[in-house]
Amino acid sequence: AQSVAQPEDQVNVAEGNPLTVKCTYSVSGNPYLFWYVQYPNRGLQFLLKYITGDNLVKGSYGFEAEFNKSQTSFHLKKPSALVSDSALYFCAVRDMDSSYKLIFGSGTRLLVRP
Amino acid sequence: SQTIHQWPATLVQPVGSPLSLECTVEGTSNPNLYWYRQAAGRGLQLLFYSVGIGQISSEVPQNLSASRPQDRQFILSSKKLLLSDSGFYLCAWSAFTGNNQPQHFGDGTRLSIL
Repeated sequence: AQSVAQPEDQVNVAEGNPLTVKCTYSVSGNPYLFWYVQYPNRGLQFLLKYITGDNLVKGSYGFEAEFNKSQTSFHLKKPSALVSDSALYFCAVRDMDSSYKLIFGSGTRLLVRP
Repeated sequence: SQTIHQWPATLVQPVGSPLSLECTVEGTSNPNLYWYRQAAGRGLQLLFYSVGIGQISSEVPQNLSASRPQDRQFILSSKKLLLSDSGFYLCAWSAFTGNNQPQHFGDGTRLSIL
């Protein structure tokens, strides 16, 4: 079965430190992977995607993600965290059985301390 | 540029009352449209999706229904609301051109059932 796992419910980091939000996936074939961010009482905002090519993908607000096929991971990273990065982050993968749909992880809450 | 609008932003309804939530997309044609429910600020549950006018796919059997009367209009309805229908409802769209396109979300409707 296809799935996406975000193993950490919450990640805490100090402002200015690097951050990593973890995501692993399980799909048949080549995955299409996405990261989204959600602020309180708002919809999800698209950050970046991996389709093919360079394993390091750069996205909005200084975020990047590294695709690792051997580890089936797509971790979200940022070199220097901001307090304003505090939000809920979702990883998603294209459903291979229905290309219209995304399979979302359960979300990771990022808290950046001043 | 493309925009997506959802209304109302918040709604309080009594048990047994009807529901109609509306979502419209501007700046694109023939989008794929989606309704999600998010419980307790966490995981997303896909309720319905549509790849064209009058074409609705239901993901979860329940007392909700969806309709797409126009190309860029997606409506979520219920004849009689249940307490369990409370939640944060999100509409999303994606471009019909290829399955590597991200979904883009509206700002949601927070529905409380009393």
